[in-house]
Amino acid sequence: GESVGLHLPTLSVQEGDNSIINCAYSNSASDYFIWYKQESGKGPQFIIDIRSNMDKRQGQRVTVLLNKTVKHLSLQIAATQPGDSAVYFCAENIPSGSARQLTFGSGTQLTVLP
Amino acid sequence: DTEVTQTPKHLVMGMTNKKSLKCEQHMGHRAMYWYKQKAKKPPELMFVYSYEKLSINESVPSRFSPECPNSSLLNLHLHALQPEDSALYLCASSQGGQMNTEAFFGQGTRLTVV
Repeated sequence: GESVGLHLPTLSVQEGDNSIINCAYSNSASDYFIWYKQESGKGPQFIIDIRSNMDKRQGQRVTVLLNKTVKHLSLQIAATQPGDSAVYFCAENIPSGSARQLTFGSGTQLTVLP
Repeated sequence: DTEVTQTPKHLVMGMTNKKSLKCEQHMGHRAMYWYKQKAKKPPELMFVYSYEKLSINESVPSRFSPECPNSSLLNLHLHALQPEDSALYLCASSQGGQMNTEAFFGQGTRLTVV
């Protein structure tokens, strides 16, 4: 079936370096994507989103890139900090009947090394 | 206020017990979701309510019974659960309908079935 998946389960980066987390999706009906950060014992926290009519969106220290041709999106975190250590999920939001369905990818554990 | 409140935070229940999980939001959102998350896995969608009506049921066993008493509240009634149902149960809300907007998550209820 259609799915959202991530390329790497874990990523370790040095503090201050940039991080790039990748995500592949296969549902061509997906028109909206969200990146979430989840710290241990907490619920997912919204980071940034992007609609399918865009290919890039920037936030504070984060950038999301969307390549619809190859069904790929990425999350870039600039100057990674210890507080960025968490699991990062991409999620696709697609219409489903009268509602919308939010489906998560498998997640990447980001570890920031001192 | 972008808060989704879930109670209780922790719950231990026996296989013959009946318990309920509660979720509340006051953002005026008309879509509410229940997700189940096992350790080191992404959240898996269980139910979606849109305008207080059940829109999506992802083939969830009948021992899980959702209820949406009004637009601000979402319950998940539990009965005769199995140990494998132990997980983090997350509630989320979004604006609803076909509006592709971000979903806000609560901190979850950590459920242990003994």
